[in-house]
This record gives sequence, structure tokens and C-alpha cells, in this order.
Amino acid sequence: GAGVSQTPSNKVTEKGKYVELRCDPISGHTALYWYRQSLGQGPEFLIYFQGTGAADDSGLPNDRFFAVRPEGSVSTLKIQRTERGDSAVYLCASSLGTPSDTQYFGPGTRLTVL
Amino acid sequence: SQQGEEDPQALSIQEGENATMNCSYKTSINNLQWYRQNSGRGLVHLILIRSNEREKHSGRLRVTLDTSKKSSSLLITASRAADTASYFCATDASQFYFGTGTSLTVIP
Repeated sequence: GAGVSQTPSNKVTEKGKYVELRCDPISGHTALYWYRQSLGQGPEFLIYFQGTGAADDSGLPNDRFFAVRPEGSVSTLKIQRTERGDSAVYLCASSLGTPSDTQYFGPGTRLTVL
Repeated sequence: SQQGEEDPQALSIQEGENATMNCSYKTSINNLQWYRQNSGRGLVHLILIRSNEREKHSGRLRVTLDTSKKSSSLLITASRAADTASYFCATDASQFYFGTGTSLTVIP
């Protein structure tokens, strides 16, 4: 079946703008994760959904970052008042159930804030 | 903060040689997973080893886990140029933590 997909693949925006990044998980996966990866670093956990609810959002860096998953499938990561430091690759992953299960990653969205 | 730390940060070997990467972590885990990443985009799951396992094999991959030392190693045997990538360990403490990665270059 189809893997995890993310759109857009690249997003260039100006400082102060609002952006939305979309993730389509593997069908039937109840768990969904967002990570942020800067150049030369490992993925940094942002938020984990179990179904429609955020089971752990402790990785969100500040209140400019918000994510939703209203129907328990597609998720949107929203960043308000973007800053240059938000530039990174944003990765989404999904798994059958819990963080102890194998996570399947999408190709990522490269966000560049000018 | 990141729980896992890979060692070495970079490794360059000739095709056909074996590559060994190590991962250390800080807290108790349920399992440890290794991932590969090409060109800074999507990660590919390689292998999962549970906390009650000591060694696991998958094709040319061999993973060991020592929970007393809080460390794991990934061995790639008979390396190929296509193995060139970054390799990350990930642990499932309260969140899901990735290490900083080992950049492997296999020279044809």
C-alpha cells in the first residue's frame, strides 16, 4: 500500500508568515508523529498523536507551533509568525499503535524561511 | 534533548569492508531501532531490537544491545556503495528519541 506522504515537498516563505504542512499517514495507522530535522542533526520530536488527540506535545518549541488531526488520519502542522530559525525539514511518521512500534516516515517538507 | 548518541560521527570505508556504528542512550527503553537516511530526507527503518533481546540479524545487518551498558551496535557486513547514508539509532523512552547519527561513506 501507499506509504506516508507529505505536502508540499518544499515551502519557501517570508519571516512572519503563516504556513501549514500536511501529512497523510499509512491507512490504518493510529499513531502519527511530527519531527523537525536541522542540517547535520537527528530528527527532533515535536508531537505524537494517538487517534485524534495529541498524546504528547512536549516537543513543540513554543506556542507558534500547533498541530491537528481532526479525523484521526491526515494531520496538519501549523506554524504562525515564522522565524528564520524555523527553517528545517519537517518529517512526519506513522505507526500501527505506539512509539514502541516501527515508525514509517514520509519524505519530509523542506521549509525555508527567508 | 536527544537521548541517543551515535559513534563515530563519520565513517569512511572501502566497498566490501564491514562498518560498525555504536549508539549509547541514557534511560531505560522498551526497544531500540536503527534507521537509515539518504540525502537528508525520509528515514527508512532497518531493524528493531527489544530490551529483552541481545542480538538480531537481518540480511547483512547485525544489531546488538547491551542494556547494562545502555548501548547498541549496528554492523553492516560486506558494505556496498549503496550503503552510503546517515544511520540513526532511536529509543522509545517517554518520547521517541533519535541520536545525532553516523554518516557512512562507502567508497567503490
